[in-house]
Amino acid sequence: DVKVTQSSRYLVKRTGEKVFLECVQDMDHENMFWYRQDPGLGLRLIYFSYDVKMKEKGDIPEGYSVSREKKERFSLILESASTNQTSMYLCASSANSGVLAGANVLTFGAGSRLTVL
Amino acid sequence: KNEVEQSPQNLTAQEGEFITINCSYSVGISALHWLQQHPGGGIVSLFMLSSGKKKHGRLIATINIQEKHSSLHITASHPRDSAVYICAGPRVGSNYKLTFGKGTLLTVNP
Repeated sequence: DVKVTQSSRYLVKRTGEKVFLECVQDMDHENMFWYRQDPGLGLRLIYFSYDVKMKEKGDIPEGYSVSREKKERFSLILESASTNQTSMYLCASSANSGVLAGANVLTFGAGSRLTVL
Repeated sequence: KNEVEQSPQNLTAQEGEFITINCSYSVGISALHWLQQHPGGGIVSLFMLSSGKKKHGRLIATINIQEKHSSLHITASHPRDSAVYICAGPRVGSNYKLTFGKGTLLTVNP
């Protein structure tokens, strides 16, 4: 089974702190994604990466950066955490099916619930 | 831009009932995903379908590409089916980005 592991299940940080959220997948997937999930807003894409060292902005990249130095690892960085970044963060990965656009099945991690005080 | 609308937003059922959750999208797409999220849990991909129907256990997903509509059915519902069900479709012009519905909260009472 594909496994996507997020390093922390719950984090509490203070405003202004630098926060690292780590995600590791073990099935050699090309694509990795960071989403945040907020009540009433659904899932929103922050950043994604389709290859090592490649990254693309999603819908809400402001205040975030990412790093993908190795294929299996995709890190989300909050340079200076703010209270409006309190949220559930979900990492996902997918392989390129090569068939239909948007048909790559996503495998999600368990999520990291971040609280910024 | 592809808008994805789900209905109903909330659904309460008695154990054993047949459940239907609907998903409509605004532009033509090639594939649609159904996801499940249990309370406090991560998200699991249930189905990805591009035509017709798929079945897994008591779950059945159908899609009508021409009508831009998909349904998720649960037969003989059980309290463990209580979860948020989310549909998602690809963004126009993107191989990677998905547009997610807001989700349907299903509660199955014993």
